[in-house]
Amino acid sequence: EAQVTQNPRYLITVTGKKLTVTCSQNMNHEYMSWYRQDPGLGLRQIYYSMNVEVTDKGDVPEGYKVSRKEKRNFPLILESPSPNQTSLYFCASSLSGGLLYNEQFFGPGTRLTVL
Amino acid sequence: AQKITQTQPGMFVQEKEAVTLDCTYDTSDQSYGLFWYKQPSSGEMIFLIYQGSYDEQNATEGRYSLNFQKARKSANLVISASQLGDSAMYFCAMRDLLPYNNNDMRFGAGTRLTVKP
Repeated sequence: EAQVTQNPRYLITVTGKKLTVTCSQNMNHEYMSWYRQDPGLGLRQIYYSMNVEVTDKGDVPEGYKVSRKEKRNFPLILESPSPNQTSLYFCASSLSGGLLYNEQFFGPGTRLTVL
Repeated sequence: AQKITQTQPGMFVQEKEAVTLDCTYDTSDQSYGLFWYKQPSSGEMIFLIYQGSYDEQNATEGRYSLNFQKARKSANLVISASQLGDSAMYFCAMRDLLPYNNNDMRFGAGTRLTVKP
C-alpha cells in the first residue's frame, strides 16, 4: 500500500531532550516536506526536500533540523525542544516539487507535547 | 510572499444542501496550483481537489467543485448535497509550480464545516 508513515504518533517529552520524528514513504517520491499545525494558523511548512541531499527552509524552520540521506526517509530533529514546539506535525511527499501538478500525500500526523 | 486567506473560521450547512467555502490567495507568480484538503476529527489530511492556474475549466471531483476566478484570485470550494460525513476542517493551499522557485506549499488557516441533520 502506498503510504507515508510517521513515528511516533504521539510523544510527550520535556524541554531540552533531543528527539527525532521519523518519516518514510514507499512511493519513490522526490519531494518531501514537514509541516506543523496549530489552531488558527493552519499548516505551516518547516522544511522541505526536493531530492536526496537537497533540503531547504520553509516558513518556520527555527528549532528544527532535517536530513535527506535516502530518498524514502526524511526525519525531523528537534535538538532542544521547547514548549512552543508543542504541535501536530505532518510529513508529506509528492512525486516532484514543481513543474507538473502532483498530489501531496500526508502522513497520519505526530502529536508532540513538550512540557 | 504567497498568502492564503480563508475568512470563514466556521460554517454550518443543512444536510443535502450545497455550501461554498471561501479561499483567496495572493501571489505574483503565473504558474501555480491550488489545492483543497479535508481534515476530519481523526486528524488525517485528505486531498480533495486541484486547480492549476492555467486550467481553463473549473475542477470537479464528484460532489466537490472549485470555483476558480483567477482575476479575483479566489478558489472557492463548493460541496454539493452535503452529507454528515462532510463535517470536518477544510484547508485551502497553494504551491508554485515552477521548479526554479521555492516549491513550498502555503495553507490557509482553515474552515470548520459542520453539517446539521
